[in-house]
Amino acid sequence: GQQLNQSPQSMFIQEGEDVSMNCTSSSIFNTWLWYKQDPGEGPVLLIALYKAGELTSNGRLTAQFGTTRKDSFLNISASIPSDVGIYFCAGLLNNNAGNMLTFGGGTRLMVKP
Amino acid sequence: GAGVSQTPSNKVTEKGKYVELRCDPISGHTALYWYRQSLGQGPEFLIYFQGTGAADDSGLPNDRFFAVRPEGSVSTLKIQRTERGDSAVYLCASSLIGYGARRYGYTFGSGTRLTVV
Repeated sequence: GQQLNQSPQSMFIQEGEDVSMNCTSSSIFNTWLWYKQDPGEGPVLLIALYKAGELTSNGRLTAQFGTTRKDSFLNISASIPSDVGIYFCAGLLNNNAGNMLTFGGGTRLMVKP
Repeated sequence: GAGVSQTPSNKVTEKGKYVELRCDPISGHTALYWYRQSLGQGPEFLIYFQGTGAADDSGLPNDRFFAVRPEGSVSTLKIQRTERGDSAVYLCASSLIGYGARRYGYTFGSGTRLTVV
């Protein structure tokens, strides 16, 4: 089963508001990834974080790799209707067996125009 | 191709039947992954191929599930004696192994939605 706890499970916000979601794990990961999934599509990579404490931005998106390597958060500023979708965190533990991702349960974001 | 292609996009089958799901990865990507996504959940790992060989099949739920990648490109996920609990979206992803995979994550296909009735 999944090892990542993602919260909140869903959010319904007004256009223009900022959004924050986070992910915690019982295990350490070397890399944290944040994906967005639209209906009928596969997840699309938004931001990748490669070391503890790293803070990375991609346009209106900002994500941080927690210093304990067991958590990460994603912020979206000034939300717009096209931000609607499901956001997943994923942890990656690089090893010789391959780069298997462990996903959180997702945060469903709904934006009211 | 330009992206990861999965066919069919939708598959409805009767309980007990056999199904095959196909994945065509991005050209040149040596690593290929299958994930299963149940309704309202995140994707769960099934199997990982490096080239033609299954490097990690620890996520396959039971021996009804099998996957092949005979020429190191296209992969087929095979499910025997399907059960209603197999209903889910099956996602395929590919990546460059090593540096590329770590820096840029995977590229996912749009998935095959399997419904077992």
